[in-house]
Amino acid sequence: KNEVEQSPQNLTAQEGEFITINCSYSVGISALHWLQQHPGGGIVSLFMLSSGKKKHGRLIATINIQEKHSSLHITASHPRDSAVYICAVLTMDSNYQLIWGAGTKLIIKP
Amino acid sequence: DAGVTQSPTHLIKTRGQQVTLRCSPKSGHDTVSWYQQALGQGPQFIFQYYEEEERQRGNFPDRFSGHQFPNYSSELNVNALLLGDSALYLCASSLAQRFGELFFGEGSRLTVL
Repeated sequence: KNEVEQSPQNLTAQEGEFITINCSYSVGISALHWLQQHPGGGIVSLFMLSSGKKKHGRLIATINIQEKHSSLHITASHPRDSAVYICAVLTMDSNYQLIWGAGTKLIIKP
Repeated sequence: DAGVTQSPTHLIKTRGQQVTLRCSPKSGHDTVSWYQQALGQGPQFIFQYYEEEERQRGNFPDRFSGHQFPNYSSELNVNALLLGDSALYLCASSLAQRFGELFFGEGSRLTVL
């Protein structure tokens, strides 16, 4: 079983829909990242969370430490949001390397 | 304020050759991590440099080596290239005392023929 699991693996939605991507992890963490990667491109860190909730524009990220679960929400989705969204954690055992989820490929259709 | 910059952005090598990839961290950052991302796969941790020393290493052979300079920039060297080394190589910078905040470069795409 992977230490970081994301769902869904693929998600296709219409422009304007509310999007939720989930991440569950099985290890103790010091921080959780949500990252975005466009095809062929580099990675952009969207959020770094250790507790609670963060909001940036149309993006909202939440984390429940007790349940070892995090969600990334996109409100009023737009085709330019189409990308792979990756959840990655820094574990308490190793603050030096991220453990990555497999990613969620999001396609927003106009 | 420049973010993380990597060079070159694309390069093509042949099997057996050697390659050097470069990374300049975000201003004020002192820690550089390198990742390899094969096509369709998630990134794999190669190693991390802090204070000019390799602090932790992932499961990569000794053909992969690195260096960090006093100005915190870093190089990734790969010797005796194999076809399987073809990948996007990503550099991430952070501040050691505020671990967790990461900034990524656009990556260097290496193709080995």
